[in-house]
Amino acid sequence: NAGVTQTPKFQVLKTGQSMTLQCAQDMNHNSMYWYRQDPGMGLRLIYYSASEGTTDKGEVPNGYNVSRLNKREFSLRLESAAPSQTSVYFCASSEGGNRIQYFGAGTRLSVL
Amino acid sequence: DQQVKQNSPSLSVQEGRISILNCDYTNSMFDYFLWYKKYPAEGPTFLISISSIKDKNEDGRFTVFLNKSAKHLSLHIVPSQPGDSAVYFCAASATGGTSYGKLTFGQGTILTVHP
Repeated sequence: NAGVTQTPKFQVLKTGQSMTLQCAQDMNHNSMYWYRQDPGMGLRLIYYSASEGTTDKGEVPNGYNVSRLNKREFSLRLESAAPSQTSVYFCASSEGGNRIQYFGAGTRLSVL
Repeated sequence: DQQVKQNSPSLSVQEGRISILNCDYTNSMFDYFLWYKKYPAEGPTFLISISSIKDKNEDGRFTVFLNKSAKHLSLHIVPSQPGDSAVYFCAASATGGTSYGKLTFGQGTILTVHP
């Protein structure tokens, strides 16, 4: 029972490079979320998708784009990475009427 | 504008004693509150939640208390065990409009339970 799977687990980028963080869930959840976690800041919402075909900005969307590829998959793209985007990124999912979110193991990203 | 605050960055407790983790919020629209536990190199895992229509919810060793008038909630762990050592995040959610389903997290409290 995989739950929420994130790839890659680790990534090092140079400033200006682009990359896509992948997330897939096998719980048939409608809603999916991307967060970043920085020291002393808790988890902050970047983007979310309430259902397949919809995406909306969260608290800290600048520098990111997302794609809800299908019900299972929700990707996060950094078009031109900056050192300020060094962080741990978490994907989560939830069933529409349930406020409990289930998280992946995270992607640790360093931008040099 | 930190709508959910955990003012204690860390807490150290002896095994077998009670751990009390605190959380304050400012947004009166929040009506559902959750606690997550996070081990190093893992994602947060759901621990326990409470709706604003209740003031207490208990699940085994874990109890969450909600004081709406003070906009304060706390997580009690009794008895504390070394395996409880982790980062604990408080989160809050509001119903309706564009808020539905979205969680606002506190900064986290590192709990260390000593044998």
